[in-house]
Amino acid sequence: AQTVTQSQPEMSVQEAETVTLSCTYDTSENNYYLFWYKQPPSRQMILVIRQEAYKQQNATENRFSVNFQKAAKSFSLKISDSQLGDTAMYFCALFGNEKLTFGTGTRLTIIP
Amino acid sequence: GAVVSQHPSRVICKSGTSVKIECRSLDFQATTMFWYRQFPKQSLMLMATSNEGSKATYEQGVEKDKFLINHASLTLSTLTVTSAHPEDSSFYICSAIDWTGGGEQYFGPGTRLTVT
Repeated sequence: AQTVTQSQPEMSVQEAETVTLSCTYDTSENNYYLFWYKQPPSRQMILVIRQEAYKQQNATENRFSVNFQKAAKSFSLKISDSQLGDTAMYFCALFGNEKLTFGTGTRLTIIP
Repeated sequence: GAVVSQHPSRVICKSGTSVKIECRSLDFQATTMFWYRQFPKQSLMLMATSNEGSKATYEQGVEKDKFLINHASLTLSTLTVTSAHPEDSSFYICSAIDWTGGGEQYFGPGTRLTVT
């Protein structure tokens, strides 16, 4: 079985600051993918960033970057220059064994 | 990116009746679709994997006779909640994998089911 753990139920940060969301996981698969999804109040799931486990280089998408520590099974998301539109639920997820497993989510609030 | 639609977006039904939710991949063919359930302020829980032309694979604890899944074409999967009860009220989300597009998984906008 694969598991994803997010230990921060809620976080808040001032606009323009940097925030890091934590995620740890466990899997017996050698080939897997890691994702961060954003779920705004509309509840539409939006892909923020993805990381292939076989790649050592950390993925980056504009203001979003990850710190992927494979040995530690850690996959944190850093949001730089946070914006009001970043306010949402953020889910860490692992795709392995042909299924996507989600963490419990972190509710992020950006304060004006 | 690719688009996945769901219909209806909201549905209210009486206890004991059945309701069908459709999930469509609009601009790609999806041999694999997934159905999730999300309770308020909780995460997405995988209910089943829907494979085109074959039986769905249900997660442990999900009643296959209650949640009927049909993936009859490469762009459509349906979830039918049979003999619905108030405890089936939830937010149901589907997703589809675009294998030709690098294996990206695209999510539908969700369906809010309320059973009265």
